[in-house]
Amino acid sequence: NAGVTQTPKFQVLKTGQSMTLQCAQDMNHNSMYWYRQDPGMGLRLIYYSASEGTTDKGEVPNGYNVSRLNKREFSLRLESAAPSQTSVYFCASGQGASGTSTDTQYFGPGTRLTVL
Amino acid sequence: RKEVEQDPGPFNVPEGATVAFNCTYSNSASQSFFWYRQDCRKEPKLLMSVYSSGNEDGRFTAQLNRASQYISLLIRDSKLSDSATYLCAVNKPPGTASKLTFGTGTRLQVTL
Repeated sequence: NAGVTQTPKFQVLKTGQSMTLQCAQDMNHNSMYWYRQDPGMGLRLIYYSASEGTTDKGEVPNGYNVSRLNKREFSLRLESAAPSQTSVYFCASGQGASGTSTDTQYFGPGTRLTVL
Repeated sequence: RKEVEQDPGPFNVPEGATVAFNCTYSNSASQSFFWYRQDCRKEPKLLMSVYSSGNEDGRFTAQLNRASQYISLLIRDSKLSDSATYLCAVNKPPGTASKLTFGTGTRLQVTL
């Protein structure tokens, strides 16, 4: 099993450009998540999908949109990239049953995005 | 007060030493607790879940103190390969969706 995969690994954009980050998991997990990680800020939740067909905002959703394409895939879109969106983006998945050990989340390798 | 707080370190320890990290959380309704390890420029990887009775995995021991609202990670006989950033994670209060809040991490550097 590949676990959680993300594409691309690296990307450089100019301000105003758009792009979609792709994420897929093969663990049959219900929930999927998008985080960004910045120095000194830790992992911050952008959007999540508790189950196929649902998406909800996390802590820092502004400037992003998501699509839960099916149970396996969860994409993150930047419609008009800004330098403040320069970050490392991690996708994660988990079984998603709150309050139990199934809260465990497993991470993809990340996408390093630079917006000039 | 932050939801989850960790001492950023770095903790510089010699090989073979014992080192402990704490992580405090603010929401007393949280029920699930985890330690993740993150190597430089890599993704966080689950190190261990933290159970109410505490749990041990080889050289690593995790404990939960609900009264004082903190979790701890003890590493015995430190190895050079233990050098990494250790993130604690705490679940949000029970609800319809499972979400974790992460601390900013504690950096460990093990030296010869």
